[in-house]
Amino acid sequence: GESVGLHLPTLSVQEGDNSIINCAYSNSASDYFIWYKQESGKGPQFIIDIRSNMDKRQGQRVTVLLNKTVKHLSLQIAATQPGDSAVYFCAETRSTSYGKLTFGQGTILTVHP
Amino acid sequence: GAVVSQHPSWVICKSGTSVKIECRSLDFQATTMFWYRQFPKQSLMLMATSNEGSKATYEQGVEKDKFLINHASLTLSTLTVTSAHPEDSSFYICSARPAGTSGSYTQYFGPGTRLTVL
Repeated sequence: GESVGLHLPTLSVQEGDNSIINCAYSNSASDYFIWYKQESGKGPQFIIDIRSNMDKRQGQRVTVLLNKTVKHLSLQIAATQPGDSAVYFCAETRSTSYGKLTFGQGTILTVHP
Repeated sequence: GAVVSQHPSWVICKSGTSVKIECRSLDFQATTMFWYRQFPKQSLMLMATSNEGSKATYEQGVEKDKFLINHASLTLSTLTVTSAHPEDSSFYICSARPAGTSGSYTQYFGPGTRLTVL
């Protein structure tokens, strides 16, 4: 169920820095993980995904790392830009859940010019 | 790319009234749509899974008689919040999973609907 009263973790960086956003997932049976970006008042936007048979995947300016041993996921954003400021969520699912996603807590990323 | 729309984008209603929110897949067919709820500064919480032509599956703790879901076509799912109260005020987001993608995890999110109950 939902957690009442939680405040999202925050990360503040300078423009041009690299950002690392972390996520701990709970279900060891999860086999697919996604990072989403959500801007204020909008729906989540897909960034990058990774399957459990991989430990790293790279996209344009973004890299996702998966450590199944400690159930940890991270998103690295290179050369962070002000337009990257948003809330970032990780989500997990597994092949037997018919596409149902479980979202992580989220991190607020603020990029200062 | 695949586009999912929601209507309305925001709605204000009086306590006790019912509100219908539409979720449409504009350029693809979706056999499965999902409805999420998001409170301010919190994560998305899955409310229910909507399957075309069958009853929705609700997550634990979500009242099916309060949140009525109808998925009458392959491009439209509706969420009706019945007898809305101020505690139902939230951001409601849908996502749609393209038909014929049972082996894929791909789903596309709508822009969300902000519901405020006075």
